[in-house]
Amino acid sequence: LAKTTQPISMDSYEGQEVNITCSHNNIATNDYITWYQQFPSQGPRFIIQGYKTKVTNEVASLFIPADRKSSTLSLPRVSLSDTAVYYCLVGDLRSGYSTLTFGKGTMLLVSP
Amino acid sequence: GAGVSQSPSNKVTEKGKDVELRCDPISGHTALYWYRQSLGQGLEFLIYFQGNSAPDKSGLPSDRFSAERTGGSVSTLTIQRTQQEDSAVYLCASSRRAQGARDTIYFGEGSWLTVV
Repeated sequence: LAKTTQPISMDSYEGQEVNITCSHNNIATNDYITWYQQFPSQGPRFIIQGYKTKVTNEVASLFIPADRKSSTLSLPRVSLSDTAVYYCLVGDLRSGYSTLTFGKGTMLLVSP
Repeated sequence: GAGVSQSPSNKVTEKGKDVELRCDPISGHTALYWYRQSLGQGLEFLIYFQGNSAPDKSGLPSDRFSAERTGGSVSTLTIQRTQQEDSAVYLCASSRRAQGARDTIYFGEGSWLTVV
């Protein structure tokens, strides 16, 4: 299983861009990178998923360098409501999500 | 249903009692997952179902834990002789399929279990 490492916590202010980097040095060829967001008292929610280069959706962007040993989740112009825990997951989707390991995530605190 | 539904949302039980937690996945989703999350911790994988069968039970912490799924839909996680260390949020998730092309799993709001 690919092990991921991400910062335990990050602080930001409203309107700033936030970049959360996840390291996954032993990522395998078939592994995808998926990010989830979890608010207190709620289940995690899918944010974005990618394999290489850059992926963008209405919520975030995901940057993956050529060696794929890390990935960066970019949240543009954060608001107070973006305060949450963000999880980086790496795994082979062909094997199903049971092979994905959720770490402790990154606790993002957005202040006014 | 529109989303993954779990019940009860909160459960307080006495040590030694059995509890059942129910998960109703999104309609049409063949894969179903159970995770556990203790306070301030990440998600711990427990078990997943593809249809009614459970190819991976590796995460169940002890033989006091069991799960079943019937009709390819509703799943029940049963904890026998509950212990205080079982206190956690039990999260259920579902996805359209477990293997194959890229997929997304959707989580319920969880069942908060407190063993006193």
